[in-house]
Amino acid sequence: DVKVTQSSRYLVKRTGEKVFLECVQDMDHENMFWYRQDPGLGLRLIYFSYDVKMKEKGDIPEGYSVSREKKERFSLILESASTNQTSMYLCASSFGRGNNQPQHFGDGTRLSIL
Amino acid sequence: AQSVTQLDSHVSVSEGTPVLLRCNYSSSYSPSLFWYVQHPNKGLQLLLKYTSAATLVKGINGFEAEFKKSETSFHLTKPSAHMSDAAEYFCVVRPTGRRALTFGSGTRLQVQP
Repeated sequence: DVKVTQSSRYLVKRTGEKVFLECVQDMDHENMFWYRQDPGLGLRLIYFSYDVKMKEKGDIPEGYSVSREKKERFSLILESASTNQTSMYLCASSFGRGNNQPQHFGDGTRLSIL
Repeated sequence: AQSVTQLDSHVSVSEGTPVLLRCNYSSSYSPSLFWYVQHPNKGLQLLLKYTSAATLVKGINGFEAEFKKSETSFHLTKPSAHMSDAAEYFCVVRPTGRRALTFGSGTRLQVQP
């Protein structure tokens, strides 16, 4: 089974801090994604990566950056955390370019910014 | 732009009765469609996917969905609800040529004893 592991289940940080969320997958997937999930809004794509050192902006990239130095690891960075970034963050990975390839999700990181 | 609309934010059924979760999509081309389920404090799990091989798609845990092009719908059904089905369900489309998914806003399913 594909395993997508997010480093923290719960995280509390303060306004203005630089925050790192880490995600690791063990299936050699090319594609990795970061979403945030808010009630009533479903999941919204922040950034994704289709190869090492490659990244593309999603629908809501403002205030975030990403890093993919190794194929298995995809990091989400909040440059200067703000209270409106309090949310559930979900990482996902998928194989190749095929349209029917599903994404596999981690269990999420619930981030609170105080 | 390709998108999905989940018509109900909450659905409540009694245990043992049928489940219907409704989803409409907008797409200019033959889409890739998925249903995912999320149990409390967990990530999303794939229930089933439509990839144009068959219009009736069977998934895990007794769920199935029917692709109806004329109605642009992809509703999720189950003949008999179980307490463990209580969760949030997301209808998802992969827009043509895009690697990322577009999610519906979700339907929370409650199952009453």
